[in-house]
Amino acid sequence: QSALTQPRSVSGSPGQSVAISCTGTSSDVGGYNYVSWYQQDPGKAPKLMIYDVNKRPSGVPDRFSGSKSGNTASLTISGLQAEDEADYYCCSFAGSHIYVFGTGTKVTVL
Amino acid sequence: EVQLVESGGGLVQSGGSLRLSCAASGFPLRNYWMSWVRQAPGKGLEWVANIKEDGSEKYYVDSVKGRFTISRDNAKNSVFLQMNSLRVEDTAVFYCARYGIPGTFDYWGQGILVTVSS
Repeated sequence: QSALTQPRSVSGSPGQSVAISCTGTSSDVGGYNYVSWYQQDPGKAPKLMIYDVNKRPSGVPDRFSGSKSGNTASLTISGLQAEDEADYYCCSFAGSHIYVFGTGTKVTVL
Repeated sequence: EVQLVESGGGLVQSGGSLRLSCAASGFPLRNYWMSWVRQAPGKGLEWVANIKEDGSEKYYVDSVKGRFTISRDNAKNSVFLQMNSLRVEDTAVFYCARYGIPGTFDYWGQGILVTVSS
Protein backbone atom coordinates (compact mmCIF):
# COMPACT_ATOMS: atom_id res chain seq x y z
CA GLN A 1 0.00 0.00 0.00
CA SER A 2 2.56 2.58 -1.08
CA ALA A 3 1.41 6.14 -1.73
CA LEU A 4 0.92 7.16 -5.33
CA THR A 5 3.65 9.46 -6.66
CA GLN A 6 2.88 13.09 -7.42
CA PRO A 7 5.22 16.03 -8.09
CA ARG A 8 5.80 18.10 -4.98
CA SER A 9 4.81 21.32 -6.72
CA VAL A 10 3.69 22.83 -9.99
CA SER A 11 3.16 26.47 -10.85
CA GLY A 12 1.71 28.61 -13.59
CA SER A 13 0.56 32.11 -14.38
CA PRO A 14 -3.11 33.06 -14.44
CA GLY A 15 -4.73 31.78 -17.62
CA GLN A 16 -2.12 29.10 -18.22
CA SER A 17 -2.66 25.36 -17.98
CA VAL A 18 -0.96 23.08 -15.48
CA ALA A 19 -1.00 19.31 -15.23
CA ILE A 20 -0.42 17.15 -12.16
CA SER A 21 0.62 13.55 -12.62
CA CYS A 22 -0.23 10.67 -10.30
CA THR A 23 1.80 7.52 -10.84
CA GLY A 24 0.91 4.17 -9.35
CA THR A 25 1.01 0.57 -10.45
CA SER A 26 -1.11 -1.96 -12.27
CA SER A 27 -2.55 -2.89 -8.86
CA ASP A 28 -4.11 0.52 -8.33
CA VAL A 29 -4.20 3.34 -10.92
CA GLY A 30 -3.58 1.03 -13.87
CA GLY A 31 -6.02 -1.62 -12.74
CA TYR A 32 -9.17 0.36 -12.08
CA ASN A 33 -11.02 3.43 -13.32
CA TYR A 34 -11.61 4.58 -9.75
CA VAL A 35 -9.21 7.51 -9.66
CA SER A 36 -10.35 10.66 -7.90
CA TRP A 37 -8.77 14.05 -7.21
CA TYR A 38 -9.16 16.30 -4.17
CA GLN A 39 -8.38 19.97 -3.63
CA GLN A 40 -7.31 21.05 -0.15
CA ASP A 41 -6.89 24.60 1.06
CA PRO A 42 -4.62 25.13 4.12
CA GLY A 43 -6.36 24.06 7.30
CA LYS A 44 -9.47 22.90 5.46
CA ALA A 45 -11.02 19.59 4.56
CA PRO A 46 -10.37 18.10 1.12
CA LYS A 47 -12.92 18.74 -1.62
CA LEU A 48 -13.75 16.27 -4.39
CA MET A 49 -12.84 17.67 -7.82
CA ILE A 50 -12.75 14.64 -10.16
CA TYR A 51 -14.00 11.06 -9.82
CA ASP A 52 -13.94 7.95 -12.02
CA VAL A 53 -10.80 9.34 -13.73
CA ASN A 54 -12.52 12.13 -15.63
CA LYS A 55 -15.95 12.97 -14.20
CA ARG A 56 -16.68 16.28 -12.47
CA PRO A 57 -19.13 16.57 -9.57
CA SER A 58 -21.78 19.24 -9.85
CA GLY A 59 -20.34 22.67 -9.07
CA VAL A 60 -16.74 21.97 -10.08
CA PRO A 61 -15.61 24.30 -12.87
CA ASP A 62 -15.03 22.69 -16.25
CA ARG A 63 -11.47 24.00 -16.32
CA PHE A 64 -10.66 20.96 -14.16
CA SER A 65 -10.27 17.75 -16.15
CA GLY A 66 -8.87 14.29 -15.54
CA SER A 67 -7.34 11.54 -17.63
CA LYS A 68 -5.42 8.30 -17.33
CA SER A 69 -2.87 6.40 -19.36
CA GLY A 70 -1.55 3.11 -18.08
CA ASN A 71 -0.42 3.48 -14.48
CA THR A 72 -0.47 7.30 -14.52
CA ALA A 73 -3.45 9.56 -13.98
CA SER A 74 -3.41 13.30 -14.55
CA LEU A 75 -5.34 16.35 -13.40
CA THR A 76 -5.26 19.35 -15.71
CA ILE A 77 -6.30 22.83 -14.69
CA SER A 78 -6.91 24.98 -17.76
CA GLY A 79 -7.18 28.74 -17.49
CA LEU A 80 -5.51 28.78 -14.07
CA GLN A 81 -7.07 31.18 -11.56
CA ALA A 82 -5.75 32.57 -8.29
CA GLU A 83 -8.38 30.62 -6.35
CA ASP A 84 -6.96 27.35 -7.72
CA GLU A 85 -3.86 27.72 -5.53
CA ALA A 86 -4.07 24.78 -3.13
CA ASP A 87 -2.81 21.27 -2.47
CA TYR A 88 -4.12 18.52 -4.73
CA TYR A 89 -4.26 14.79 -3.98
CA CYS A 90 -5.08 11.87 -6.23
CA CYS A 91 -6.63 8.70 -4.87
CA SER A 92 -7.08 5.26 -6.37
CA PHE A 93 -8.92 2.10 -5.51
CA ALA A 94 -6.33 -0.63 -4.97
CA GLY A 95 -8.52 -3.72 -4.81
CA SER A 96 -10.04 -5.53 -1.82
CA HIS A 97 -11.73 -2.37 -0.53
CA ILE A 98 -8.35 -0.67 -0.09
CA TYR A 99 -7.63 2.91 -1.13
CA VAL A 100 -4.35 4.74 -1.62
CA PHE A 101 -3.77 8.48 -1.86
CA GLY A 102 -1.04 10.33 -3.70
CA THR A 103 1.79 12.22 -2.04
CA GLY A 104 0.18 15.57 -2.84
CA THR A 105 1.04 18.49 -5.11
CA LYS A 106 1.12 22.15 -4.21
CA VAL A 107 -0.20 24.32 -7.03
CA THR A 108 1.11 27.88 -7.02
CA VAL A 109 -0.39 30.64 -9.14
CA LEU A 110 2.40 33.04 -10.03
CA GLU B 1 -27.12 19.78 3.15
CA VAL B 2 -24.70 16.97 3.92
CA GLN B 3 -22.80 17.57 7.17
CA LEU B 4 -20.22 15.46 8.93
CA VAL B 5 -18.96 16.63 12.32
CA GLU B 6 -16.11 14.85 14.11
CA SER B 7 -15.51 14.90 17.85
CA GLY B 8 -13.49 13.06 20.47
CA GLY B 9 -9.99 14.05 19.51
CA GLY B 10 -7.33 15.34 21.85
CA LEU B 11 -4.01 14.57 23.50
CA VAL B 12 -3.24 11.02 24.63
CA GLN B 13 -0.10 9.23 25.71
CA SER B 14 1.52 6.53 23.64
CA GLY B 15 -0.22 3.22 24.30
CA GLY B 16 -3.46 4.94 25.20
CA SER B 17 -6.91 4.87 23.61
CA LEU B 18 -9.29 7.35 22.08
CA ARG B 19 -12.71 7.07 20.45
CA LEU B 20 -13.63 9.38 17.62
CA SER B 21 -17.23 10.08 16.68
CA CYS B 22 -18.71 11.41 13.45
CA ALA B 23 -22.22 12.87 13.51
CA ALA B 24 -23.85 12.70 10.09
CA SER B 25 -26.82 14.73 8.87
CA GLY B 26 -28.46 15.77 5.62
CA PHE B 27 -28.51 12.29 4.08
CA PRO B 28 -29.65 8.75 5.03
CA LEU B 29 -26.55 7.35 6.73
CA ARG B 30 -27.89 3.77 6.46
CA ASN B 31 -27.53 3.94 2.66
CA TYR B 32 -23.83 4.75 2.54
CA TRP B 33 -20.46 3.22 3.24
CA MET B 34 -18.43 5.54 5.48
CA SER B 35 -14.71 6.12 5.89
CA TRP B 36 -12.00 7.62 8.04
CA VAL B 37 -9.03 9.35 6.43
CA ARG B 38 -6.13 10.91 8.33
CA GLN B 39 -3.44 13.49 7.67
CA ALA B 40 -0.30 13.75 9.77
CA PRO B 41 0.96 17.31 10.37
CA GLY B 42 2.45 18.67 7.14
CA LYS B 43 1.90 15.36 5.36
CA GLY B 44 -0.48 13.85 2.84
CA LEU B 45 -3.79 12.08 3.17
CA GLU B 46 -3.99 8.45 4.22
CA TRP B 47 -7.08 6.26 3.99
CA VAL B 48 -7.63 4.53 7.33
CA ALA B 49 -10.84 2.48 7.29
CA ASN B 50 -14.17 1.82 5.56
CA ILE B 51 -17.41 0.37 6.88
CA LYS B 52 -20.34 -1.01 4.89
CA GLU B 53 -23.85 0.44 5.16
CA ASP B 54 -25.00 -2.14 7.70
CA GLY B 55 -21.64 -2.50 9.45
CA SER B 56 -21.18 -6.09 8.22
CA GLU B 57 -17.91 -5.38 6.39
CA LYS B 58 -14.95 -3.36 7.61
CA TYR B 59 -11.58 -2.72 5.98
CA TYR B 60 -8.40 -1.12 7.31
CA VAL B 61 -5.03 0.12 6.17
CA ASP B 62 -2.32 -2.32 7.29
CA SER B 63 -0.75 0.10 9.78
CA VAL B 64 -3.87 0.21 12.01
CA LYS B 65 -5.13 -3.37 11.70
CA GLY B 66 -5.63 -4.92 15.12
CA ARG B 67 -5.49 -1.51 16.84
CA PHE B 68 -8.34 0.53 15.32
CA THR B 69 -11.98 -0.49 14.98
CA ILE B 70 -14.54 1.30 12.84
CA SER B 71 -18.21 0.99 13.77
CA ARG B 72 -21.50 2.74 13.22
CA ASP B 73 -24.93 3.32 14.74
CA ASN B 74 -27.32 4.18 11.93
CA ALA B 75 -30.16 4.84 14.36
CA LYS B 76 -28.03 7.58 15.94
CA ASN B 77 -26.60 8.80 12.62
CA SER B 78 -23.08 8.22 13.85
CA VAL B 79 -19.84 6.57 12.82
CA PHE B 80 -17.03 5.80 15.24
CA LEU B 81 -13.33 5.01 15.26
CA GLN B 82 -12.02 3.27 18.35
CA MET B 83 -8.24 3.70 18.49
CA ASN B 84 -6.22 1.53 20.87
CA SER B 85 -2.48 1.10 21.42
CA LEU B 86 -1.91 4.54 19.96
CA ARG B 87 1.55 5.40 18.69
CA VAL B 88 3.29 8.74 18.20
CA GLU B 89 3.03 8.17 14.46
CA ASP B 90 -0.78 8.11 14.72
CA THR B 91 -0.72 11.85 15.42
CA ALA B 92 -2.90 13.37 12.72
CA VAL B 93 -6.07 15.20 11.81
CA PHE B 94 -8.71 12.53 11.32
CA TYR B 95 -11.46 13.15 8.79
CA CYS B 96 -14.80 11.39 8.57
CA ALA B 97 -15.81 11.00 4.92
CA ARG B 98 -18.82 9.68 3.08
CA TYR B 99 -18.03 6.99 0.58
CA GLY B 100 -20.59 8.05 -1.99
CA ILE B 101 -19.99 7.54 -5.67
CA PRO B 102 -18.09 4.19 -5.89
CA GLY B 103 -14.41 4.73 -5.35
CA THR B 104 -14.92 8.28 -4.13
CA PHE B 105 -15.00 10.20 -0.86
CA ASP B 106 -17.60 12.78 -1.79
CA TYR B 107 -18.19 14.64 1.48
CA TRP B 108 -15.77 15.31 4.33
CA GLY B 109 -16.01 16.58 7.88
CA GLN B 110 -13.87 19.45 9.11
CA GLY B 111 -11.45 17.06 10.81
CA ILE B 112 -10.38 16.45 14.40
CA LEU B 113 -6.83 16.50 15.76
CA VAL B 114 -5.42 13.52 17.59
CA THR B 115 -2.05 14.04 19.24
CA VAL B 116 -0.14 11.09 20.69
CA SER B 117 2.71 12.02 22.98
CA SER B 118 5.62 9.87 24.05
